Amino acid sequence: DIVMTQSPLSLPVTPGEPASISCRSSQSLLHSNGYNYVDWYLQKPGQSPQLLIYLGSRRASGVPDRFSGSGSGTDFTLKISRVKAEDIGVYYCMQGLQTPLTFGGGTRVEIK
Amino acid sequence: VQLVESGGGLVQPGGSLRLSCAASGFTFSEYAMNWVRQAPGKGLEWVSLITDDGDTTVYADSVRGRFTISRDNSRNTLFLQMGGLRGDDTAVYYCAKSPMTTVTPWFDFWGQGTRVSVSS
Repeated sequence: DIVMTQSPLSLPVTPGEPASISCRSSQSLLHSNGYNYVDWYLQKPGQSPQLLIYLGSRRASGVPDRFSGSGSGTDFTLKISRVKAEDIGVYYCMQGLQTPLTFGGGTRVEIK
Repeated sequence: VQLVESGGGLVQPGGSLRLSCAASGFTFSEYAMNWVRQAPGKGLEWVSLITDDGDTTVYADSVRGRFTISRDNSRNTLFLQMGGLRGDDTAVYYCAKSPMTTVTPWFDFWGQGTRVSVSS
């Protein structure tokens, strides 16, 4: 199974400041088609997870452009250019390359 | 797109439960579907996948042999038959849609979840 490791576990942020979350996979997520099969989800308090980024860097429909995904192979990053109060919650990375689909442990983003 | 789960509840260890997910707003028969669960205070765990036509199913090791995923494309409904339930099956169970027919590189829509508690 592919293990996904996220850091940090918790991320206190100041509104208006940037934030960054790291995700590392135990094996390469780069498919032969050139896409990295890593996704990012946000689970806001009391809600279901919602898709933010798929295929490493593609923003899902309706996701603000302050969210961006980058990386290749085994190292990936989710960046928020200027954090808003509505961005709080737990962020998860997930690999979609092979079953079993596996998630990182999550990063809790909270306002300082 | 709407995914509405139902069927959760309190069940004794060793018992059974059948979850349902009613889908609307898209052509259900054209997409693979999944179940994902979240134990209290914990992260997300993928449970099972079924292809668009229902011919292929895949399970996490933790549930293989105890859970069965199925779908009724005529009723736009996804199911999860759960048996041999254990305490570590206690979780919120989410129905999640794939953007593709046979694989799930990401989940583009999630339901609101249904809670399953296994306890005596």
